[in-house]
Amino acid sequence: DGGITQSPKYLFRKEGQNVTLSCEQNLNHDAMYWYRQDPGQGLRLIYYSQIVNDFQKGDIAEGYSVSREKKESFPLTVTSAQKNPTAFYLCASSMAGNSYEQYFGPGTRLTVT
Amino acid sequence: QQPVQSPQAVILREGEDAVINCSSSKALYSVHWYRQKHGEAPVFLMILLKGGEQKGHDKISASFNEKKQQSSLYLTASQLSYSGTYFCGTGGTGNQFYFGTGTSLTVIP
Repeated sequence: DGGITQSPKYLFRKEGQNVTLSCEQNLNHDAMYWYRQDPGQGLRLIYYSQIVNDFQKGDIAEGYSVSREKKESFPLTVTSAQKNPTAFYLCASSMAGNSYEQYFGPGTRLTVT
Repeated sequence: QQPVQSPQAVILREGEDAVINCSSSKALYSVHWYRQKHGEAPVFLMILLKGGEQKGHDKISASFNEKKQQSSLYLTASQLSYSGTYFCGTGGTGNQFYFGTGTSLTVIP
């Protein structure tokens, strides 16, 4: 079955630690996205990538980093520089461009204390 | 650059209709609509492209006014399963994509 997976579903970390969230897709999509969602809020774009080895910052990239070494994978690292990292993180993929629907993974709920 | 949705929240009785609006300050090439249930990932409903036709399936349809940079989602004869938060997503001619502020829809028996 084709799809997009994120792991883990829940993640707990202490302040000051970097943490990497996994996102893998087997849909053969060129584009991948990371969004952050806070309670009762919309989705805000952190980073996106339209092709392997290339990615662009979204609106709230500060304190985050990504890599896109393989088409299937787009991991997100939440660094200690991110002031308020506790949130629900969603990864999505699509065919390249804005004319195609985005498929979302189940999300990772990160809690930093 | 985030599109604005209205209303922020709406409560309907089963069988009633609703309209959710999405407005952008930037020129749009595409508008997507998604529904998200609490604690779950958003699920795609439909996409409208510049110059395209009004889309719809079953009792959910949408329109796209390119000149006004607006889109509307129409839900008719609402069902309990329609409850959730609805997001529009907008793309311009570049690759960046913005989700709207969201509209919480609750359908009660």
